[in-house]
Amino acid sequence: NAGVTQTPKFRVLKTGQSMTLLCAQDMNHEYMYWYRQDPGMGLRLIHYSVGEGTTAKGEVPDGYNVSRLKKQNFLLGLESAAPSQTSVYFCASSNPGQGNTEAFFGQGTRLTVV
Amino acid sequence: ELKVEQNPLFLSMQEGKNYTIYCNYSTTSDRLYWYRQDPGKSLESLFVLLSNGAVKQEGRLMASLDTKARLSTLHITAAVHDLSATYFCAVGGLSGGSNYKLTFGKGTLLTVNP
Repeated sequence: NAGVTQTPKFRVLKTGQSMTLLCAQDMNHEYMYWYRQDPGMGLRLIHYSVGEGTTAKGEVPDGYNVSRLKKQNFLLGLESAAPSQTSVYFCASSNPGQGNTEAFFGQGTRLTVV
Repeated sequence: ELKVEQNPLFLSMQEGKNYTIYCNYSTTSDRLYWYRQDPGKSLESLFVLLSNGAVKQEGRLMASLDTKARLSTLHITAAVHDLSATYFCAVGGLSGGSNYKLTFGKGTLLTVNP
């Protein structure tokens, strides 16, 4: 029972490089989220999706893009990485329509931009 | 815009003592969640509170929700070292439109000392 799986778990990028983080869920959830976690800041929402083919901006969307071509996958892209994007990134999924709305989280991706 | 405030942000307590973590939020919501995070790990769901007056208990932790006061509490009874972790509250609600989002507090770093 995989739940929410993030790839990769660790990555070091040079400033200006690009990369894509992959999130996959096997719970048939409609909603998927990307958060970043920084010390003392809690989790801040970057982008989210309410269903296949949809995306929306969260609290801190600048410098990131997302795509949800398939219901089970939610991709987070960094086109030109900056040191300020050094963080731990968490993906989550949920199904608000089922009442519980509890979000399930992946294991996180630790990204360092040098 | 939904805001979630936790206090205290840091809590150092002795084993065997009791304490309470508070979570205040700014707009109407009837869905509140508590998560636990161990260092370097993902978020683990502890409690889901879905209605005013809801109370849930698991071991030495008890969570409650007062939607009229927009307040949730996480009470720790007779703390043990294994409870050392960061605890987050998250509030679910419609924010910035009609889409459902989870907004997190900044977390409470709990350290239980022998």
